[in-house]
Amino acid sequence: GAGVSQSPSNKVTEKGKDVELRCDPISGHTALYWYRQSLGQGLEFLIYFQGNSAPDKSGLPSDRFSAERTGGSVSTLTIQRTQQEDSAVYLCASSLDPRWVAGLSYEQYFGPGTRLTVT
Amino acid sequence: AQKVTQAQTEISVVEKEDVTLDCVYETRDTTYYLFWYKQPPSGELVFLIRRNSFDEQNEISGRYSWNFQKSTSSFNFTITASQVVDSAVYFCALSGPNFGNEKLTFGTGTRLTIIP
Repeated sequence: GAGVSQSPSNKVTEKGKDVELRCDPISGHTALYWYRQSLGQGLEFLIYFQGNSAPDKSGLPSDRFSAERTGGSVSTLTIQRTQQEDSAVYLCASSLDPRWVAGLSYEQYFGPGTRLTVT
Repeated sequence: AQKVTQAQTEISVVEKEDVTLDCVYETRDTTYYLFWYKQPPSGELVFLIRRNSFDEQNEISGRYSWNFQKSTSSFNFTITASQVVDSAVYFCALSGPNFGNEKLTFGTGTRLTIIP
């Protein structure tokens, strides 16, 4: 079946512009995660959505970052007034919710990422 | 707070040699989950294994094996008879008690190069 997809695969933007990154999780996965991979910081958690629960935003680095998940499926990560330090690969992952699918695999499956370059 | 340390930044071995990637973790949770992911040159993270804190049995999957020791807070990964296709960056990760279904804390990764 289809894996996690992300778009665009590459995005170059000018400093100060807003960008939107999209993630389509695996069908049926209720949990969705955003991570960022950068040279200086490695792989870091940004935000986590689980079903209808309030998202865990504890990893968002500043209020310029926000994310939403519509209809429990597609998610958009928005970065406002981009800065050069926002340049990174943004990874999305999804997983099943083990509360409902006991015994099945619920590891996080990652998408190919969006490479963001802020000039 | 959770922390994962992969002290080996880069490792190079000649094909067919065995290689062990180290992972040391810190957590205050009594229940937690440990993971290994592979990131080949294509960039996409590939899940390799998940272990929970209750199960210290070593696991073997083909040429891959994992050694989990709570006493030393380590979850090491060994590749036997390495192959060129094993060249990748390998990440160890840790999550809290929610059945592994929550945010992952990653180590900084170990870049493994297999020399033909």
